[in-house]
Amino acid sequence: NAGVTQTPKFRILKIGQSMTLQCTQDMNHNYMYWYRQDPGMGLKLIYYSVGAGITDKGEVPNGYNVSRSTTEDFPLRLELAAPSQTSVYFCASSGTSGSLGTGELFFGEGSRLTVL
Amino acid sequence: TQLLEQSPQFLSIQEGENLTVYCNSSSVFSSLQWYRQEPGEGPVLLVTVVTGGEVKKLKRLTFQFGDARKDSSLHITAAQPGDTGLYLCGRNTPLVFGKGTRLSVIA
Repeated sequence: NAGVTQTPKFRILKIGQSMTLQCTQDMNHNYMYWYRQDPGMGLKLIYYSVGAGITDKGEVPNGYNVSRSTTEDFPLRLELAAPSQTSVYFCASSGTSGSLGTGELFFGEGSRLTVL
Repeated sequence: TQLLEQSPQFLSIQEGENLTVYCNSSSVFSSLQWYRQEPGEGPVLLVTVVTGGEVKKLKRLTFQFGDARKDSSLHITAAQPGDTGLYLCGRNTPLVFGKGTRLSVIA
């Protein structure tokens, strides 16, 4: 019953520190995504992956890196944390709907990151 | 560049009122999804619309996809406090969202 699992749920970083947000899904989905959500706003796509070994930039990729070595895992790395990266980060996964592109996205519970 | 424009950005109404929120783009969608997000949680899918002119109903929620597949609307009849949340539209592929409409239904 796990679905999409994100860790950690909360983290405080100092400017310039690095960290990795972990994301794992157990639904055998090909597509995985990382979004960020600033207070009171919608979701902005950071990076996405259509399968193991394939990643692509989204709307706001600067300051982040990802990898997809397995179908299940899609970690997001922040190399030099900046206050502008303070946000809630959501990982999601989906199957495909053929020519319609992605199917329903299933989201994790989010990771709240504060950079001071 | 915001590919999807959602309006209104905020909406506060009394229980029992009807409302409509909109999602517009200058380009054609292959498909469009509507999600609702409650505080502290991830978004949850409400519906996917695919065909121009399509209308889908989910209890008191009615979703319409424009004939030209460039716009969509969500109509809620007799809103209830449980409808409170952030309503997001997203277009494929990959799924990119609008800024959302934040709805508050007051009892």
